[in-house]
Amino acid sequence: NAGVTQTPKFQVLKTGQSMTLQCAQDMNHEYMSWYRQDPGMGLRLIHYSVGAGITDQGEVPNGYNVSRSTTEDFPLRLLSAAPSQTSVYFCASSNSRGAFFGQGTRLTVV
Amino acid sequence: RKEVEQDPGPFNVPEGATVAFNCTYSNSASQSFFWYRQDCRKEPKLLMSVYSSGNEDGRFTAQLNRASQYISLLIRDSKLSDSATYLCVVNGEGNFNKFYFGSGTKLNVKP
Repeated sequence: NAGVTQTPKFQVLKTGQSMTLQCAQDMNHEYMSWYRQDPGMGLRLIHYSVGAGITDQGEVPNGYNVSRSTTEDFPLRLLSAAPSQTSVYFCASSNSRGAFFGQGTRLTVV
Repeated sequence: RKEVEQDPGPFNVPEGATVAFNCTYSNSASQSFFWYRQDCRKEPKLLMSVYSSGNEDGRFTAQLNRASQYISLLIRDSKLSDSATYLCVVNGEGNFNKFYFGSGTKLNVKP
């Protein structure tokens, strides 16, 4: 039972590069979210989706895009990486029992 | 004002001690409440849901006070393996998708 799978686990980018963080879930949850976690801070919501074809912004959406073409997949795109986007990124899918997280992606932008 | 506020700690306790964490939340319309555990450099994992009537899971007891808008977690007979950061989580606006996380309370259980 895979749950939520994120790739890659680690990534180093140069300023200005773009990339996509992948997230897939096999729990048939309608709701999926992306968070970032910085040292000394809690998880901050970047974008979320209430179902295929529907996405919305969270607290810190600037510099990120998402799409939701299927129930299973919810990729996060960094359009032009900046050092301020150095962080740990978590994807989650959720239902009434809570949010279930992937293992995270450690991103460093140099 | 943050949606969820927690004392960051750390709480340093000996094995076998009882320790309690509280958190407060700002949205009185929140419907779902949880405690998560996060180990260093790992993803948060659901520890337990928090119900209005209070609930217990082994050594862990969670309480919700809607009138005062706070949630508590009590850990009895602390183990070394309980050392972690505990996150208080509240959903916003009645939606499952919008979970607000506290910054976490760090617990260190010492031998």
